[in-house]
Amino acid sequence: GAGVSQSPSNKVTEKGKDVELRCDPISGHTALYWYRQRLGQGLEFLIYFQGNSAPDKSGLPSDRFSAERTGESVSTLTIQRTQQEDSAVYLCASSPDRATTDTQYFGPGTRLTVL
Amino acid sequence: KNQVEQSPQSLIILEGKNCTLQCNYTVSPFSNLRWYKQDTGRGPVSLTIMTFSENTKSNGRYTATLDADTKQSSLHITASQLSDSASYICVVSDGFQKLVFGTGTRLLVSP
Repeated sequence: GAGVSQSPSNKVTEKGKDVELRCDPISGHTALYWYRQRLGQGLEFLIYFQGNSAPDKSGLPSDRFSAERTGESVSTLTIQRTQQEDSAVYLCASSPDRATTDTQYFGPGTRLTVL
Repeated sequence: KNQVEQSPQSLIILEGKNCTLQCNYTVSPFSNLRWYKQDTGRGPVSLTIMTFSENTKSNGRYTATLDADTKQSSLHITASQLSDSASYICVVSDGFQKLVFGTGTRLLVSP
């Protein structure tokens, strides 16, 4: 079956522009995570959606970052007024139920470059 | 503070050799520990997931061990192949809200 997909795969933008990244989780998965991975660094948690519960936004680095999820389907991560330090790979992962007890399935990521 | 530390940071081995990667954690409470393989330019892929009661789990040439008393885990790779070149990430879960990620061990298998 289809895995987690993300789009675009690559995004180059100018400093100050807004960008929107998309994640399509595996159908039926209730948990969805967004992570950021800077070059040569580990994964940095951004936001977590679990079913219809209020999302855990504790990892968002600033108010320029926001994310939405429609039900248990597509999620979008929006970065407003991008800065060069936002350059990274943004990874999305989904789990059948709670990500803390179930295996996470990762998408291929979106590589964001802010010039 | 909940932390996951991995060692070594990077490792180069010859094709066909074995290697062992280490993971120490301080996450509490403990629910499970996962090892992921991340190829360059790809998302991580799960190799193993172990709960408190499991001491060892294998996935092909990959064998993970867990000592919940000392809060240590290892990932052993047998008869390495060039395709094993990747970053290996240890992740510990408290079973409720937190997944704590290690920064990974970068493995290069040389011909």
